Amino acid sequence: GAGVSQSPSNKVTEKGKDVELRCDPISGHTALYWYRQSLGQGLEFLIYFQGNSAPDKSGLPSDRFSAERTGGSVSTLTIQRTQQEDSAVYLCASSLRGLQETQYFGPGTRLLVL
Amino acid sequence: DAKTTQPTSMDCAEGRAANLPCNHSTISGNEYVYWYRQIHSQGPQYIIHGLKNNETNEMASLIITEDRKSSTLILPHATLRDTAVYYCIVRRNNAGNMLTFGGGTRLMVKP
Repeated sequence: GAGVSQSPSNKVTEKGKDVELRCDPISGHTALYWYRQSLGQGLEFLIYFQGNSAPDKSGLPSDRFSAERTGGSVSTLTIQRTQQEDSAVYLCASSLRGLQETQYFGPGTRLLVL
Repeated sequence: DAKTTQPTSMDCAEGRAANLPCNHSTISGNEYVYWYRQIHSQGPQYIIHGLKNNETNEMASLIITEDRKSSTLILPHATLRDTAVYYCIVRRNNAGNMLTFGGGTRLMVKP
């Protein structure tokens, strides 16, 4: 596609439920990043995938968060037993090769945990 | 990565050039200057980046001083749709791969 796409665009869930957020990176981009952004705040790095290498999970805030990238393309971020503090915009970005390459962002998924 | 300093907010008249400054006095030789913007309720949008030469693309121009300690992003003919928060970032070639945004400059384009 022309850009990074994410789904759903909005998600409202109840505390304790699991959610899955999807990211489709730009075709041919080998690097994929997940960030989250709370209201009025900067970016918080979550996880990074580069090709077939083991992902950099250093930003995941707890073991309730996990992500996978199947076939080197689409990625799913899963949040188990959601808490109210998980409410944020979850952003996905991709780049051609990682490192210094320019990252292009999707529109984000707005998650609200009630 | 080097720290950047930007004004908190700026106003610009529609149709005029918007000049957004950024100070990065501790920038090192292999750090690039990147600019992103974030329009309300949207994901960050890449604008432009450069190392030491001035750069221009369809969106903006980037002017980097000769000592590389500051730069200016220029939107030549600002429109109402350019109202956004603009982030100036410096990044090393061998840094971690994640982006970090500071406070940015909230640009308000007024009719």
